[in-house]
Amino acid sequence: GQNIDQPTEMTATEGAIVQINCTYQTSGFNGLFWYQQHAGEAPTFLSYNVLDGLEEKGRFSSFLSRSKGYSYLLLKELQMKDSASYLCAVMDSNYQLIWGAGTKLIIKP
Amino acid sequence: IAGITQAPTSQILAAGRRMTLRCTQDMRHNAMYWYRQDLGLGLRLIHYSNTAGTTGKGEVPDGYSVSRANTDDFPLTLASAVPSQTSVYFCASRDGGGAGSPLHFGNGTRLTVT
Repeated sequence: GQNIDQPTEMTATEGAIVQINCTYQTSGFNGLFWYQQHAGEAPTFLSYNVLDGLEEKGRFSSFLSRSKGYSYLLLKELQMKDSASYLCAVMDSNYQLIWGAGTKLIIKP
Repeated sequence: IAGITQAPTSQILAAGRRMTLRCTQDMRHNAMYWYRQDLGLGLRLIHYSNTAGTTGKGEVPDGYSVSRANTDDFPLTLASAVPSQTSVYFCASRDGGGAGSPLHFGNGTRLTVT
């Protein structure tokens, strides 16, 4: 079966760095997405990786290793507004998105 | 502001009643999707439409139906609601410009079936 695993919850301190991991087993691979979802709101797009390596976008970076079925989202200089759930999703060989359950990130002052 | 509009924002519905969740987008995206989101689970695809006039079943289609009469509208109907359909429902769209084209989500409908 297809499976996406990510930690349920993480806690970090304002100003610090946090890494949210995502491992996947899917039928084929056409890219991996990260979305941010604040409580009670819609998910919003953060990043897309289809090739191995690190993609940097300001304070957020996303890494992919296709051979390991592994990705991480790196958040630097954490701000209180970064408190949210972070969703990992993989596009399979049928171009359907398989979603992880999300990681709730709690930022403490 | 361009985007996806869902209605209603929330609804309490008696079991056995029929309900249509509305979704309208003004971005002229070809593909549209309905997901449900439940605590502890990932987003699960209910139905999708790759273009106007076509629809397909997702992972959890039972008890739901959709139509896509035009590009902008993609309503989701619960023919006879059951308590297990209590969830947050998100409509989404994408322009189909390659696999990396991201989903754009509406603000969701919180449905409680009693």
